[in-house]
Amino acid sequence: ETGVTQSPTHLIKTRGQQVTLRCSSQSGHNTVSWYQQALGQGPQFIFQYYREEENGRGNFPPRFSGLQFPNYSSELNVNALELDDSALYLCASSLEGRNNGYTFGSGTRLTVV
Amino acid sequence: AQSVTQLDSQVPVFEEAPVELRCNYSSSVSVYLFWYVQYPNQGLQLLLKYLSGSTLVESINGFEAEFNKSQTSFHLRKPSVHISDTAEYFCAVSYNQGGKLIFGQGTELSVKP
Repeated sequence: ETGVTQSPTHLIKTRGQQVTLRCSSQSGHNTVSWYQQALGQGPQFIFQYYREEENGRGNFPPRFSGLQFPNYSSELNVNALELDDSALYLCASSLEGRNNGYTFGSGTRLTVV
Repeated sequence: AQSVTQLDSQVPVFEEAPVELRCNYSSSVSVYLFWYVQYPNQGLQLLLKYLSGSTLVESINGFEAEFNKSQTSFHLRKPSVHISDTAEYFCAVSYNQGGKLIFGQGTELSVKP
């Protein structure tokens, strides 16, 4: 088991910029989900990808977008950053159809100034 | 709307005392329930899950949770806590196989010597 790895661990961006966060899923997991965790809050579902297609989306604007690659790694892209986008971004992988609980990465801490 | 409520934002307790962290969810025909633990500056780790079958589920480190359908609850308990149990605990629910997780706001468990 390789686990879920995210990069970078920390990032500081300026309002209006764009950012790309990366995630490498656990070996064999073909479903990846992204969550935003604001300070002092529970994680909020952004979207899920399965076989490189978006497979569900939470209440986030279109400037949040994603990609999943054939090797099951994935990206979260955020355009036109706002101060409220400052949060911990968590990637979670699972095996399709299996509700055994997602495996989470350690997250990327994004600060927008 | 689908939601999860963790009734206590902070729970201070002395070492070796029992603890209960409360979680209620909005009702549905089928639910899959999870407890995750988050240590400072880390991602989420799955503590235990209820998918089906026995309503009492246990973790390897002494925590247990009971699914109560009539009360729509999934409270987490431990008969004797350790200093190392100090962390943030999140209750989460999924309403379909492999679907998104809906998290509560979290409960900060603080174990004092």
